[in-house]
Amino acid sequence: AQTVTQSQPEMSVQDAETVTLSCTYDTSENNYYLFWYKQPPSRQMILVIRQEAYKQQNATENRFSVNFQKAAKSFSLKISDSQLGDTAMYFCAFMKHVLENAGNMLTFGGGTRLMVKP
Amino acid sequence: GAGVSQTPSNKVTEKGKYVELRCDPISGHTALYWYRQSLGQGPEFLIYFQGTGAADDSGLPNDRFFAVRPEGSVSTLKIQRTERGDSAVYLCASSPTLGQPQHFGDGTRLSIL
Repeated sequence: AQTVTQSQPEMSVQDAETVTLSCTYDTSENNYYLFWYKQPPSRQMILVIRQEAYKQQNATENRFSVNFQKAAKSFSLKISDSQLGDTAMYFCAFMKHVLENAGNMLTFGGGTRLMVKP
Repeated sequence: GAGVSQTPSNKVTEKGKYVELRCDPISGHTALYWYRQSLGQGPEFLIYFQGTGAADDSGLPNDRFFAVRPEGSVSTLKIQRTERGDSAVYLCASSPTLGQPQHFGDGTRLSIL
């Protein structure tokens, strides 16, 4: 079974500054995907960024980037130039890379509440 | 285009009652997932459909929970003899096929009195 741990229940950052959210995971799988999802008060989970474990290059999406350390099983999210609209819960998630039907679900961490202050 | 649609947005009912929660996935998405999110926690997997069949129902907590997807599109999550511990936000997600990113709906907040 996979586990995902987010050790920072809450974080805050001033707008325009940079913040890093931590995530570690435990798995015996070699091929898998990692995700960061954002959940504002509206409840909808919004995909922020995705990383394939077989890719050594860290994924980047505009102001969002990750630091993927496969050996350490670490997957942190860096938000640059933070904006008020980034205020939300952030969830790290793991998914096995499978070709058969079973096992295709996301396993989520407990979340980090990020507050961007003006 | 239209996203994942979940109805109702909120549902309040009494302990012991039966409830149905509906999910309408993104058109053309063959994979559909149900998750449950308790207050202050991350979502937990319940069940996953590939087409019409339940490919993995290992997350259903007990036999009071059941889900169907008869035509491979809309899915209904059914909870019998509801208990107060069933109170949570129930999230539905869909993806084009295996291994693709999942797109979530706004969820149904279920409150059992």
